[in-house]
Amino acid sequence: QSALTQPASVSGSPGQSITISCTGTSSDVGGYNYVSWFQHYPGKVPKLMIYDVTNRPSGVSNRFSGSKSGNTASLTISGLQAEDEADYYCTSYTSSTSWVFGGGTKLTVL
Amino acid sequence: QVQLQESGPGLVNPSQTLSLTCTVSGGSISSGTYYWSWIRQPAGKGLEWIGQIFTSGSTTYNPSLKSRVTISIDTSTNQFSLKMSSVTAADTAVYYCARRMGGTSNFAYWGQGTLVTVSS
Repeated sequence: QSALTQPASVSGSPGQSITISCTGTSSDVGGYNYVSWFQHYPGKVPKLMIYDVTNRPSGVSNRFSGSKSGNTASLTISGLQAEDEADYYCTSYTSSTSWVFGGGTKLTVL
Repeated sequence: QVQLQESGPGLVNPSQTLSLTCTVSGGSISSGTYYWSWIRQPAGKGLEWIGQIFTSGSTTYNPSLKSRVTISIDTSTNQFSLKMSSVTAADTAVYYCARRMGGTSNFAYWGQGTLVTVSS
């Protein structure tokens, strides 16, 4: 199975909105509503930000939202803050009954 | 609050078998509908899903690692384990255990991660 495709990096200024894409195929992202997004600070534990494409776990800021169109899922962060600077990973269920991650996106807050 | 903690050797010789255990506390590993996963991250690279086990013992593995990986569960000790055979330097990574709620992509709980280095 091939890793999902994410941009290597995105950037934005405080207060702005950014979107990170996660592109797969009809055998993973496009075929199931089982996409999650994680925020990962280097050396720390990945934190679940979005699951099942659009659901936000309790305690996660409503500045984070998820969506999907076709084979591409997206994570949008609005009102960008300095603390949002981290690596972000998507994952999706696949037709092989396994899970596949994206390559990760480094978010820089300018 | 569920907590997961990885344990095992931090150094493994090439061609040998990597063995890690994840101890679950704050809840029974056999209660609820949860899948127990192993995920790894080589230095400077992205996350890679290794495989998962259900309470019943049913397993699913990453197709690219399937021939070398075995995941098992011990409900009496509230632990699940990973064995990866014939390791090489490419298997050097931080290994995480995690819990996923069945029927969802909710990987809410993760262990702290443990670094395993493959080197002689």
